[in-house]
Amino acid sequence: EVQLVESGGGLVQPGGSLRLSCAASGFTLSDHYIDWVRQAPGKGLEWVGRTRNKVNSYTTEYAASVKGRFTISRDDSQNSLYLQMNSLKTEDTAVYYCVRAGYSGSFKFDYWGQGTLITVSS
Amino acid sequence: DIQMTQSPSSLSASVGDRVTITCRASQDISYYLAWFQQKPGKAPKSLIYAASSLQSGVPSKFSGSGSGTDFTLTISSLQPEDFATYYCQHYKSYPFTFGGGTKVEIK
Repeated sequence: EVQLVESGGGLVQPGGSLRLSCAASGFTLSDHYIDWVRQAPGKGLEWVGRTRNKVNSYTTEYAASVKGRFTISRDDSQNSLYLQMNSLKTEDTAVYYCVRAGYSGSFKFDYWGQGTLITVSS
Repeated sequence: DIQMTQSPSSLSASVGDRVTITCRASQDISYYLAWFQQKPGKAPKSLIYAASSLQSGVPSKFSGSGSGTDFTLTISSLQPEDFATYYCQHYKSYPFTFGGGTKVEIK
């Protein structure tokens, strides 16, 4: 069974850092692109960034709102992905989801984690 | 960036109704469009990818159509479990963007 499970959420002060984890199981992580998507309380969905698969050298893309502050990494040997978030702002408060996007020629966005809440507040 | 505009932002419908939600892209995105359903307090669920391909396990009452800039999600016969918020997302180029959502409520 395919599963994605996020962890690492919590309360952090503005300007602080936090690292989220996404534990993957039930599929070969290295074959897949993985996206991060967030949702501020009561708001819509916002794409945060992407890590490509092994064939595409694990390269990354980011939304302008987080570029330079957030870094996506992955450790396929541990079946895990990470979202390192630095210089956090109050507007980064949201539930963060990792999403199995698929791979080139077959993007399906078929599995989502349950999400983890980040609250940026003093 | 490509902007995605969903309409309506909300609608009221009865069980058994046929419901259509529209998503318009600010430029040509070919068929690079997905639809998601989200219920309160839950993660989004994938319904449609590549504009019209039904996700595995999703009932056939859901269908997607369109290409280029105009897309629709149709629920052929609304059931109680379909009351939720629906989002479209393009994945033609970075950054990907979502529509603002359509909340489907019970009439």
